Amino acid sequence: AQKVTQAQTEISVVEKEDVTLDCVYETRDTTYYLFWYKQPPSGELVFLIRRNSFDEQNEISGRYSWNFQKSTSSFNFTITASQVVDSAVYFCALSEASGYSTLTFGKGTMLLVSP
Amino acid sequence: DADVTQTPRNRITKTGKRIMLECSQTKGHDRMYWYRQDPGLGLRLIYYSFDVKDINKGEISDGYSVSRQAQAKFSLSLESAIPNQTALYFCATSDSGRYYGYTFGSGTRLTVV
Repeated sequence: AQKVTQAQTEISVVEKEDVTLDCVYETRDTTYYLFWYKQPPSGELVFLIRRNSFDEQNEISGRYSWNFQKSTSSFNFTITASQVVDSAVYFCALSEASGYSTLTFGKGTMLLVSP
Repeated sequence: DADVTQTPRNRITKTGKRIMLECSQTKGHDRMYWYRQDPGLGLRLIYYSFDVKDINKGEISDGYSVSRQAQAKFSLSLESAIPNQTALYFCATSDSGRYYGYTFGSGTRLTVV
């Protein structure tokens, strides 16, 4: 069975600080996909990134970066120079590549960035 | 128009009432899902359908039923709504092909009083 753990329930930072959101996953499959979603106060889910299990390269997109480490089953998300608009709930999710897999979410981390 | 449309966006209903949440998609995806979000619990899977004739229970299916009327339509019903079904509900779609991407609707905020 697949499982995603986001141990940080809530994080508060001051604007311009860097912040890392942790994600640890469990799966028996060797092929799987990891996702991060952002949920702003308006409630919609905003897709941020999808990474497959064979691609361990770290990725950077503007102020966002992701560190994927298969050895520790982690897919952590860092926001550099945080801004108030980054305040949201962030979800990490996992989908195995087997034919009957579904998307399993972590419980989310609420990030509050204050001015 | 949105790729995945959920109706209604917001709904307040009374305990014991039957209510249907609807989802339609223009992505052409064969797979559809219903998730429920509660604060601090993340999104949990209620039901999913991998094609029109395939319906599967998810993690928290009790008190819910679904209907896949067509490839593009997947409805979630609460047969007799209760207050602890107050939540944000999301519909999602995915393609069984090689691209493992999921598309989510904007959500339906349901309040049962």
